Amino acid sequence: EVQLLESGGGLGQPGGSLRLSCAASGFSFRNHAMSWVRQAPGKGLEWVSAISGSGGSTYYRDSVKGRFTVSRDNGESELFLEMSGLRADDTAVYFCARGGDSRGWYSGWDFLDDWGQGTLVTVSS
Amino acid sequence: QSVLTQPPSVTGAPGQRVTISCTGSRSNIGAGYDVHWYRQLPGAAPKLLIYGNHNRPSGVPDRFSGSTSDTSASLAITGLQADDEATYYCQSYDGVLTEALFGGGTKLTVL
Repeated sequence: EVQLLESGGGLGQPGGSLRLSCAASGFSFRNHAMSWVRQAPGKGLEWVSAISGSGGSTYYRDSVKGRFTVSRDNGESELFLEMSGLRADDTAVYFCARGGDSRGWYSGWDFLDDWGQGTLVTVSS
Repeated sequence: QSVLTQPPSVTGAPGQRVTISCTGSRSNIGAGYDVHWYRQLPGAAPKLLIYGNHNRPSGVPDRFSGSTSDTSASLAITGLQADDEATYYCQSYDGVLTEALFGGGTKLTVL
């Protein structure tokens, strides 16, 4: 059974940093691109970032480029999102999600077939 | 304002058929990029419902179906049940914005 478990959320100061983690199990982690998707309180889903299965290619939405860094440790089956320069509009539940393509490539048109339960990030002074 | 436009809400009675639309443009759905659908219950993670425009993951009943036409996509739910109440999101890709997109979500209420 695929399991994705996020951690690391909490209260962050404006301009500050947080590091999110996503522990994966139940599948061959390196064979799947992974994404981060967020959901602001009461709002819809928003794609944030993605990384290929090898970790060699990374992708970001414009509003987080230069502030967020996605990475992965295939040996430990973990996904990370390093968030810096936090802003109030980064407040959201952050979900990690598995790409449906098992060849490890990331394509923005791929579906996300398994999701974690999410971790809440609140940016406030 | 989402690039993929969904109605904020739809309502149906038990046993009825409802459809949820997802309207895009020639740079996303109209360009041939796949559309996927997710269902989200309050406080829970989204769950994949339809992938590749019309395919159902194992375990999803055939009451759920997806289709596309020109620059739009639709999710149809037949034989509506009380536990179909949820928010439904479409997802596609925009070749101009070069990023994955979600619709704004549609809350389905079963009377």
